[in-house]
Amino acid sequence: AQSVTQLGSHVSVSEGALVLLRCNYSSSVPPYLFWYVQYPNQGLQLLLKYTSAATLVKGINGFEAEFKKSETSFHLTKPSAHMSDAAEYFCAVTHNYGQNFVFGPGTRLSVLP
Amino acid sequence: DTAVSQTPKYLVTQMGNDKSIKCEQNLGHDTMYWYKQDSKKFLKIMFSYNNKELIINETVPNRFSPKSPDKAHLNLHINSLELGDSAVYFCASSQDTGELFFGEGSRLTVL
Repeated sequence: AQSVTQLGSHVSVSEGALVLLRCNYSSSVPPYLFWYVQYPNQGLQLLLKYTSAATLVKGINGFEAEFKKSETSFHLTKPSAHMSDAAEYFCAVTHNYGQNFVFGPGTRLSVLP
Repeated sequence: DTAVSQTPKYLVTQMGNDKSIKCEQNLGHDTMYWYKQDSKKFLKIMFSYNNKELIINETVPNRFSPKSPDKAHLNLHINSLELGDSAVYFCASSQDTGELFFGEGSRLTVL
C-alpha cells in the first residue's frame, strides 16, 4: 500500500526566504511522485512530477523537488518565496501511472511580508 | 475553454435531499475521478472510471452513485444527503502523462 506524509501542516516563511516543504512516501514499488498547489477556492494544479528520469525535477513558478530513494523523500523547495506562493501544497504518489493517486494531508504555506 | 468543468460550483441543500454534480472534460482523457476534500483539506478518492468503466470504488456509502455516460463525462449523484457530506467535491481526469487535471470544485453544504 502507498502512503504519503507531509511534515508540517502549516509553514510560514518571510518573503524572499527559502521555501522547504517536506514529503515522504512509502511504496512497495518504484513510485511516481507529484506536487500540486491549491490556491484558495480553486482546484489543484500540477507544480512538478517525478517519473524515474532525473532525480532533480524543476517545475513551474521556480519550484523544484529532489527524489531521494534512500530517504523515501520528495521535498519541494523554492529559493525565494513570493507573496503569491501562499497556498496549500499537496504531495501525491502513484505506482500505476495515471491511476490510483494517493495524496498527502497538505501543507499550508504562508508568506509574511 | 476550461479543461475540466464541474457544475454547480456551489450547492446548499437540506438534509435528506438528493443532489447531483456534473463533470465534463475536453482533454480526451480516458480516466476520470471524483475526490472529496474535507474541511481540513484532506483529499480522498471516491471513484475512478476508465473509459466509462468503474475501476476504483473506495469505501463510500452507497448513497453516492457515479455515472459515466461517455468517457468525457462523470457525474456524481448523492441520495439522502447527510451533514457529513458537506465538503468540496473535485472531479479530475488523467491520461498517459500521469498527472491529474482538476476541476475547480463543487462546494456542497448540507444544512
